Amino acid sequence: SQTIHQWPATLVQPVGSPLSLECTVEGTSNPNLYWYRQAAGRGLQLLFYSVGIGQISSEVPQNLSASRPQDRQFILSSKKLLLSDSGFYLCAWSDLTLQYFGPGTRLTVT
Amino acid sequence: DQQVKQNSPSLSVQEGRISILNCDYTNSMFDYFLWYKKYPAEGPTFLISISSIKDKNEDGRFTVFLNKSAKHLSLHIVPSQPGDSAVYFCAATSTGAGSYQLTFGKGTKLSVIP
Repeated sequence: SQTIHQWPATLVQPVGSPLSLECTVEGTSNPNLYWYRQAAGRGLQLLFYSVGIGQISSEVPQNLSASRPQDRQFILSSKKLLLSDSGFYLCAWSDLTLQYFGPGTRLTVT
Repeated sequence: DQQVKQNSPSLSVQEGRISILNCDYTNSMFDYFLWYKKYPAEGPTFLISISSIKDKNEDGRFTVFLNKSAKHLSLHIVPSQPGDSAVYFCAATSTGAGSYQLTFGKGTKLSVIP
């Protein structure tokens, strides 16, 4: 069966510090991968999606970036965090019928 | 421009009664619709879906209705249980687009009162 992992589960970072969130999927090959953010009082905002290794599409302009160094690994990064980057970050994978979400990372930028 | 709208941020229902969550969409290319349920500090989990070729899909206590002409769908939960208390997200996609992107609404927080 397929599983999706995200870490860390929670993170508190100061403004201006770098960020790296990791997502890995097991039990499937060549999945579509997605990064979402749920900010306080808002819905699920798609940040990035990837249809293959090295292929990243960005949905919104921001100071975040994403990379897919391996088939089942998706990384969300920032060189300098802003207060507005606080939120709940979700990774998801798709088998072209549904999207399956990871447990999420709660990021608080102080 | 919000293509999927959930106009009720919250809803309270008595245990045992019906919960009705509503969702409207504007993009006529959407042909597949999903509902996800989310508990705090967890990822959303898939609940039920409906294709645009249908107007109703039922799974146990959950039924989704689709009115294509009105670009409206609703999720009915009968009977509502305290464990149903969560945020419910409506999502839509165009299956012909290839990348399988979902567009989510902002969610409705359902509280089922015992």
